[in-house]
Amino acid sequence: KAGVTQTPRYLIKTRGQQVTLSCSPISGHRSVSWYQQTPGQGLQFLFEYFSETQRNKGNFPGRFSGRQFSNSRSEMNVSTLELGDSALYLCASSLVDRVGDNEQFFGPGTRLTVL
Amino acid sequence: GENVEQHPSTLSVQEGDSAVIKCTYSDSASNYFPWYKQELGKRPQLIIDIRSNVGEKKDQRIAVTLNKTAKHFSLHITETQPEDSAVYFCAATYSGGGADGLTFGKGTHLIIQP
Repeated sequence: KAGVTQTPRYLIKTRGQQVTLSCSPISGHRSVSWYQQTPGQGLQFLFEYFSETQRNKGNFPGRFSGRQFSNSRSEMNVSTLELGDSALYLCASSLVDRVGDNEQFFGPGTRLTVL
Repeated sequence: GENVEQHPSTLSVQEGDSAVIKCTYSDSASNYFPWYKQELGKRPQLIIDIRSNVGEKKDQRIAVTLNKTAKHFSLHITETQPEDSAVYFCAATYSGGGADGLTFGKGTHLIIQP
């Protein structure tokens, strides 16, 4: 099976712009989670989608949003970019076929730089 | 919400020695504790996980122990090898049947000295 893929891999934006990142989960995986990774804050949970519904949300401002499509692909959007949004954005997919199928498989990430 | 503390932030060991990384969590409802390894420039990869109904799990040179009463869990790597050099993250979450958001520790940079 192909792994989790993310596009684009690298992105440079300026303050005030908005950005959309894409994630394609492993085939058959219905859950997609998004994380932000920075040297200072480490890995922080943004939100999780399952069957096109946001089920869980981390402690991030409303500028961060996402959605999931019927084929389980997910996008996240960041509006009004700030310098502090520069980070590696990782998505992870999970099978969630039964209780206990928690393993999350990470994509390679999108490196966002805000100038 | 959940809070995970991880120690040490950097650990240097001689090749062949053992390495131990420790994490504590705050939410007694958490029941799933994975460990991820992240090599420079690469994605985090799950190396072992443990659920709250067991106290220890082993996979070749890697083992994880969980103490629910004290709310801490540890990663043990024996007979360390150069390829073990990486950043290791512990995480915790309550899993009620879905892929709930993981709360990660800040990571441990493991350095294997030849």
